[in-house]
Amino acid sequence: QVQLQQWGAGLLKPSETLSLTCAVYGGSFSGYFWSWIRQPPGKGLEWIGEVNHRGSTKYNPSLKSRITISQDTSKNQLSLKLNFVTAADTAVYYCARGNVDTQGYYVGSDHWGQGTLVTVSS
Amino acid sequence: DIQMTQSPSSLSASVGDRVTITCRASQSIRTYLNWYQQKPGQAPILLIYTASSLQSGVPSRFSGSGSGTDFTLTISSLQPEDFATYYCQQSYSPPPTFGQGTKLDIK
Repeated sequence: QVQLQQWGAGLLKPSETLSLTCAVYGGSFSGYFWSWIRQPPGKGLEWIGEVNHRGSTKYNPSLKSRITISQDTSKNQLSLKLNFVTAADTAVYYCARGNVDTQGYYVGSDHWGQGTLVTVSS
Repeated sequence: DIQMTQSPSSLSASVGDRVTITCRASQSIRTYLNWYQQKPGQAPILLIYTASSLQSGVPSRFSGSGSGTDFTLTISSLQPEDFATYYCQQSYSPPPTFGQGTKLDIK
C-alpha cells in the first residue's frame, strides 16, 4: 500500500526558507507526477508544483521565482524549498502522487501525505 | 491560468438526498476534470478523475459528468460520512487549478 510521509519545520520567520521532504513508501516513483499542494487555514487548495520521475519540474507561475522542487529517486523522496517566506505562505502543505494518462496528462492525485502546517510569524 | 468556479459555495442537505455540485471552467478543458472530497483536518481524497471515472474504492453513489467547460458531481443518496467540502480541479493546462470548494453540511 502506497504511503506518503512528510516532514519539515513548522514555524518560520519572515524571509526564511521553507523546507519540506516527502518519502514514498510501498510504491514506485516511476511513472507518476509528484506534487506539492498547499492550503491556507480555512481556504482552498493551491497547486505549488511537481516533479516527475525523470526529474522534470513544473511550477506555479505565481511562486516560480521562489520555489525549488527536487527528487531523490534512490530514496523515493521529493522535496520542496520555498525562499523568502511571508505570512501569506502560512498554510498546510501536502505532497501528493499524481496519475498520468496515456497521453501524458495529469489525471488527479490519488495518494496524499498527512500534511504539514507551516506558520510564518515574526 | 484556467479559472474554476464551483456552485453553490455551500449546501445544506439531509441523509438520503440527491445532491449535485457544478463546476465551470473559464475555457475548455475537454474532460480533464477531477473531484476531491476533504474533511476537516484531513488530506483531500480523489473521488472522480477525467470527469466521470470513479476512483478505485470510492462508493458508486458518487458520479461525475460533463465535458468542455461544464461539469457536475452527483451524490445519489447522501450518507452521514459524505458531509464534507468538495473541490473540482482541472488538469488540462498547467498549473492545475482548483475550484473554491463547496461545503456540504447537514440540514
